[in-house]
Amino acid sequence: KNQVEQSPQSLIILEGKNCTLQCNYTVSPFSNLRWYKQDTGRGPVSLTIMTFSENTKSNGRYTATLDADTKQSSLHITASQLSDSASYICVVSPGFQKLVFGTGTRLLVSP
Amino acid sequence: EAGVAQSPRYKIIEKRQSVAFWCNPISGHATLYWYQQILGQGPKLLIQFQNNGVVDDSQLPKDRFSAERLKGVDSTLKIQPAKLEDSAVYLCASSLDIGRASSGNTIYFGEGSWLTVV
Repeated sequence: KNQVEQSPQSLIILEGKNCTLQCNYTVSPFSNLRWYKQDTGRGPVSLTIMTFSENTKSNGRYTATLDADTKQSSLHITASQLSDSASYICVVSPGFQKLVFGTGTRLLVSP
Repeated sequence: EAGVAQSPRYKIIEKRQSVAFWCNPISGHATLYWYQQILGQGPKLLIQFQNNGVVDDSQLPKDRFSAERLKGVDSTLKIQPAKLEDSAVYLCASSLDIGRASSGNTIYFGEGSWLTVV
């Protein structure tokens, strides 16, 4: 069964600190992996998209990594800001039509 | 570029009533998706269109949910009659071309329509 699991479920960090969110998946075949940021009350916004051949991709202070062998991905946030408080959703595509969503990690950045 | 537009943003209805949500995708996007997101969960695909044809509606509760995308542009999602468990955010999303989804086309989401059934 295609599944995406994220950890931790929730996280509180101090402003300015770094953090890493984890994503493990059992989706097959694998086409690409996406990280989305979803602010409370808003729609998800794409942060990164990685295909099989990519193992690192950055978008500003966000850096995503992908290990297709172990089927793991991480999202690293550097020098966190209050505006980083949101849910971060890992999404894996087995190709074409399908997207398998994780349940997200809720991040709270505290001043 | 304008994003995915959805309306209404918020709706409160009583159970057994009906409700309709509207979505206007990004101009030129062939693929349109409707997702249901229950609080604390990831989005669940309800229906996916390419132009005005249905690609996937396997998880759409067809006894009460219906969706159409006339003329291959904007779309309407209807729920009739609504149940308490339909309380959720209904997200519309669009992407440029379904055929490119495997190569990582970005999927753009609207702000969502929040439904509360009481």
